[in-house]
Amino acid sequence: DAKTTQPPSMDCAEGRAANLPCNHSTISGNEYVYWYRQIHSQGPQYIIHGLKNNETNEMASLIITEDRKSSTLILPHATLRDTAVYYCIVSGGGGNKLTFGTGTQLKVEL
Amino acid sequence: NAGVTQTPKFQVLKTGQSMTLQCAQDMNHNSMYWYRQDPGMGLRLIYYSASEGTTDKGEVPNGYNVSRLNKREFSLRLESAAPSQTSVYFCASREFLAFYEQYFGPGTRLTVT
Repeated sequence: DAKTTQPPSMDCAEGRAANLPCNHSTISGNEYVYWYRQIHSQGPQYIIHGLKNNETNEMASLIITEDRKSSTLILPHATLRDTAVYYCIVSGGGGNKLTFGTGTQLKVEL
Repeated sequence: NAGVTQTPKFQVLKTGQSMTLQCAQDMNHNSMYWYRQDPGMGLRLIYYSASEGTTDKGEVPNGYNVSRLNKREFSLRLESAAPSQTSVYFCASREFLAFYEQYFGPGTRLTVT
């Protein structure tokens, strides 16, 4: 599976959009991009996934560049409850082998 | 629905002791997973069971055994615990067709002294 690179930490003001970048320059054609988050040592929570096209759901938007070498997770109106570690994962193993790196610690502040 | 449940929540073992971590899901999911998370690290896959009756090794299987008891339950056994196995253990499950979304339990915090 492709390796991902994320900044170790980011801050965001409450109510503003949080844009979390992820680099996955070695991604291959059949690999998906997944985003999960982990709030304060709880079990991780799925957010969104995509292959080529941009995706949006009730939690977030996922923007994947045309060459698929990087992506951005967007939380449109961050709240204090969005403070968490966000993991960008690239995997083609049919969803069985997700490799969680160290992620980005997002801190949402007043 | 309770989702994914794990027992116990906390456990302290002495080196060489054995124990079994229990995991159950009530979502009728086919696939189940065991991960460990060391302090300041991401999760690493220990074993998984793609469907009832099958198990496969993940990234860090050494020192562990698993049993897929039935569709609901997937247990993780430490035969001879070592301090290096001090970690938080998470169980997860997934619906077969929804390959992208794993549901995680609350974790078991294990300390081996």
